Amino acid sequence: EIVLTQSPGTLSLSLGERATLSCEASQSVSSSSLAWYQQRPGQAPRLLIHGASNRTTGIPDRFSGSGSGTDFTLTISRLEPEDFAVYFCHHYGRLPATFGRGTKVEIK
Amino acid sequence: QVQLVQSGAEVKKPGASVKVSCEAPGNTFISHYVHWVRQAPGEGLEWMGVINASDGKREYAQKFQGRVTMTRDTPPRTVYMELSSLRSEDTAIYFCARDGPAGLPYWGQGTLVTVTS
Repeated sequence: EIVLTQSPGTLSLSLGERATLSCEASQSVSSSSLAWYQQRPGQAPRLLIHGASNRTTGIPDRFSGSGSGTDFTLTISRLEPEDFAVYFCHHYGRLPATFGRGTKVEIK
Repeated sequence: QVQLVQSGAEVKKPGASVKVSCEAPGNTFISHYVHWVRQAPGEGLEWMGVINASDGKREYAQKFQGRVTMTRDTPPRTVYMELSSLRSEDTAIYFCARDGPAGLPYWGQGTLVTVTS
């Protein structure tokens, strides 16, 4: 099973700041099979990024994903009020699929 | 737009079983995989398993082997996840999620399962 370790656990930032979230895999993951989700309180997760760097339709371009191998990054260039949420990375290319434990982006 | 609708909240006693349904109104799940993911209160997402809605083949996370069963109707308009031998640690929101071109773009609204004596 591939373990995904997300850091930091919590990120305290102000509106307009840049957020950088990390996801490290315990073994190499195909870039085509790495996704990022946003989850707001009381809602289901929402797919932001698939294939490590491809934004899902309708996702603002302030969200970007990068990385390969075992190290992946989600960047939010300028935080908007609706971006304060929890973010999960997910690999789905090989079963069992797994999720990271999440990074909470909170208002400073 | 693909919408997934799950069955309502459940309260169960320890040792009981629960069966959660996931429907795609106006659509079928044919040619798709449906994953089940759960989230305990205040915790992260936990992948439970996946079912190929076309042929019914499934694969479960090792943690749930022997306790979880995923099934679907034929034609696959509804998929089900049954979890047995419930314990308090199984209290969680259970989500179904359908695959897309990549990742899991379609999610149900979640079903809260509470296990309490």
